[in-house]
Amino acid sequence: AQSVAQPEDQVNVAEGNPLTVKCTYSVSGNPYLFWYVQYPNRGLQFLLKYITGDNLVKGSYGFEAEFNKSQTSFHLKKPSALVSDSALYFCAVRDGSYNFNKFYFGSGTKLNVKP
Amino acid sequence: DADVTQTPRNRITKTGKRIMLECSQTKGHDRMYWYRQDPGLGLRLIYYSFDVKDINKGEISDGYSVSRQAQAKFSLSLESAIPNQTALYFCATSAAPSITGANVLTFGAGSRLTVL
Repeated sequence: AQSVAQPEDQVNVAEGNPLTVKCTYSVSGNPYLFWYVQYPNRGLQFLLKYITGDNLVKGSYGFEAEFNKSQTSFHLKKPSALVSDSALYFCAVRDGSYNFNKFYFGSGTKLNVKP
Repeated sequence: DADVTQTPRNRITKTGKRIMLECSQTKGHDRMYWYRQDPGLGLRLIYYSFDVKDINKGEISDGYSVSRQAQAKFSLSLESAIPNQTALYFCATSAAPSITGANVLTFGAGSRLTVL
């Protein structure tokens, strides 16, 4: 069965410091992996995705994520955090089967960036 | 205008009432989804539809029904609302896999439902 785990409910980081939000997954076949961000009173917005190719994926707002197949992880990273990055972050996975567009989400990690 | 529009944005109702949440999209996507968000549980899939004639149950479909009235419209109904259906509901869309960017979900702003 497909599943996604985000082991940290909350991550606190000082502005200017690097940040990491962790995600591990379980999926049959090749994984398609995603990160979404949710700002207060807003819907989720797409940040980045890994489908195939380079294990380091770059996305919006300076975020990147590293796919690690052996550790079944897809951690979100940013070299220098901004206060405006404070939000709720969701990792998601979908089955790699061609015509199956069903997504599974983690429980979310709240990122707090302090000035 | 938003690509995915949900109405109402907020609704308070009483136990036993029938509620409909509506979703419309201008993305031209075939695939539409209803998710429920609860604190600490993330998003859970209620129903999904890959085209007008295709409706599928998700993880937590009990107590919910849906209608895909057109390619652009997908509504979620609670026939008899109960308090544990209090949650934030999201509609989302995606293109079919053969189209570039097909794997990305586009979300509405959410409908906050409170059942007293």
